[in-house]
Amino acid sequence: DSGVTQTPKHLITATGQRVTLRCSPRSGDLSVYWYQQSLDQGLQFLIQYYNGEERAKGNILERFSAQQFPDLHSELNLSSLELGDSALYFCASSAGPLAGGHTDTQYFGPGTRLTVL
Amino acid sequence: AQSVTQPDIHITVSEGASLELRCNYSYGATPYLFWYVQSPGQGLQLLLKYFSGDTLVQGIKGFEAEFKRSQSSFNLRKPSVHWSDAAEYFCAVGARSGYSTLTFGKGTMLLVSP
Repeated sequence: DSGVTQTPKHLITATGQRVTLRCSPRSGDLSVYWYQQSLDQGLQFLIQYYNGEERAKGNILERFSAQQFPDLHSELNLSSLELGDSALYFCASSAGPLAGGHTDTQYFGPGTRLTVL
Repeated sequence: AQSVTQPDIHITVSEGASLELRCNYSYGATPYLFWYVQSPGQGLQLLLKYFSGDTLVQGIKGFEAEFKRSQSSFNLRKPSVHWSDAAEYFCAVGARSGYSTLTFGKGTMLLVSP
């Protein structure tokens, strides 16, 4: 158990809908990262937040957005869903830069499997 | 931009045999390097990491990896594979910055035969 929690575990929805995925980082971690894992694209970095602020952006679609709240949990919002958005979405957390470079190891949650029908 | 290549999509190893999974990276300087394992239906578990110092890194579950700068490689090894090691293994590279994101390879699926 990494200490990172994600809800829900599974989500089935229809095209055009909007969903919200939730992540709680490990206790004490300030950084949260979102990744998408699909068969054709592999593991792709989407976005990173540190202590409530966006810090890095990867291959995140404009239909997707995220935020990190004062209690450090994060939500990933996916809207106007398409069949191709079906994937496993992972959240990871790390201590963040203030804890020193060696502690910037990312620990992954169990993932949310999204199926768009 | 950083990148990772795992040239083997699938590898089959007999139980008790040794294992080596290959990983090559592309990065302008010395990167942070990681190996993660993903069992079916599970998240990614960190096996080991290299930040600096000794180029032979020990990890959990009896795994080790060796950083070879001249070959831009970070191969994962285990002397004797157990059936429970069957999983998908991901190599990842991270930049040496405070807001390090990870770039993952496509993964190598390890199958263990009896």
